[in-house]
Amino acid sequence: QQQVKQSPQSLIVQKGGISIINCAYENTAFDYFPWYQQFPGKGPALLIAIRPDVSEKKEGRFTISFNKSAKQFSLHIMDSQPGDSATYFCAAEGGGYQKVTFGTGTKLQVIP
Amino acid sequence: KAGVTQTPRYLIKTRGQQVTLSCSPISGHRSVSWYQQTPGQGLQFLFEYFSETQRNKGNFPGRFSGRQFSNSRSEMNVSTLELGDSALYLCASSPQAGGVEQFFGPGTRLTVL
Repeated sequence: QQQVKQSPQSLIVQKGGISIINCAYENTAFDYFPWYQQFPGKGPALLIAIRPDVSEKKEGRFTISFNKSAKQFSLHIMDSQPGDSATYFCAAEGGGYQKVTFGTGTKLQVIP
Repeated sequence: KAGVTQTPRYLIKTRGQQVTLSCSPISGHRSVSWYQQTPGQGLQFLFEYFSETQRNKGNFPGRFSGRQFSNSRSEMNVSTLELGDSALYLCASSPQAGGVEQFFGPGTRLTVL
């Protein structure tokens, strides 16, 4: 019940295209849903986060869409750039003994 | 402000040995969490410390332990190393206990031979 399922595992997008990464959770007690971006040799960095009381949050080219009834949320990267090439992790927090539960990651490659 | 620092960055040990990893949080942050990152299991939560007390613990065996000092610096210890302990160990700090915004360090890459 603590799992967060993330897809796809890898993604190749053309420069200027839209990258979409999806996550699904089971524990309805989760109340905070962050996305992290990780470059090789670096630790994850918080990109954007949402709470379940809103359905969408936008920051620059990054948007989180949240569907509480379906227990799903997704990250959309508009106008994807080669500099966005990284591994993206969704996560869910709250409702239990663990600090945070991470998805398995999506390796995004944006090609020129 | 300096970010989260972790030492050492790379470590090679053999099975059966023990290892201690260190983490210095961002100045003023009192919460430190530890994570294990592997290609197969992804990012898994180990434990969180706040004000020298363990607040939360993940599903890891007792060989994994940690502590936090009065200056908020934290250490993680793994005893009787196994090959499967090879991973990137990440430390993250937050301003308060249970803080949702975490700032990660670059990690310590542990290789067990």
